[in-house]
Amino acid sequence: EDKVVQSPLSLVVHEGDTVTLNCSYEVTNFRSLLWYKQEKKAPTFLFMLTSSGIEKKSGRLSSILDKKELSSILNITATQTGDSAIYLCAVEDRDDKIIFGKGTRLHILP
Amino acid sequence: EADIYQTPRYLVIGTGKKITLECSQTMGHDKMYWYQQDPGMELHLIHYSYGVNSTEKGDLSSESTVSRIRTEHFPLTLESARPSHTSQYLCASLPPRPRGDTQYFGPGTRLTVL
Repeated sequence: EDKVVQSPLSLVVHEGDTVTLNCSYEVTNFRSLLWYKQEKKAPTFLFMLTSSGIEKKSGRLSSILDKKELSSILNITATQTGDSAIYLCAVEDRDDKIIFGKGTRLHILP
Repeated sequence: EADIYQTPRYLVIGTGKKITLECSQTMGHDKMYWYQQDPGMELHLIHYSYGVNSTEKGDLSSESTVSRIRTEHFPLTLESARPSHTSQYLCASLPPRPRGDTQYFGPGTRLTVL
C-alpha cells in the first residue's frame, strides 16, 4: 500500500529560526513529490520534485528530493509568523494518483 | 489563476438527507480528485477520475459516490448523510502533461451533519 510519512507532526519555533520538515514515502511507480502549504482553506502549491539531488528554491523556502532514500526535506530559513501553517507532502504515481501525508503543523512564535 | 469551483461552501444538514457536493473546473482538465479532510488532519483521497465516464475509489473507504458525465463537472453524492460524514471536502484537478506545476484545488465544502 502506498504511503507518505511526515515528521515531525508538530513543531513550534521562534521567529528567525530555521526549520527542516521531513517526508518519506513508499509508492509504486513514483513520478514526483509535492509540497503544499495549507493555512485556513485549500492547500497552496509550493514545489514539485522529480529529480534526485536538485534543490528547488523560492525565497526562504527550499526543498530537495533523495530518490535513493525515498525522502525529501523542506527547509524554511529565517522563519516568520506568516510561515505558521500545515505543510503537506504528497507523492504522485505514474497513474496521476496523488497521496498526501498527515502534514507537519508548524507554529512560529513572535 | 486556477478556475475550479465548489458549491456549496458550507452546508449544515440533518441526518438521513441526500446531498450532492458540486465541483466544476473550466480548464478542460481530464483528471479530477475528491479529498476528505477533518480539521487539522491529513487529506484522504476518496475518489478520482481520469476523464469522462471514468471514476476510481481512493485510499479512504467512503460511502459517497461520484460521477463524471462531463469533463467540467465531478459531483460527489451522499445518499444518506450521517454525523460521521462531517468534514471538509476538497476537489482538485490536474493539468495534462507536460506541465510545470500540479493540482489545482477548489476552495472546499465544509459539511456538518447534525
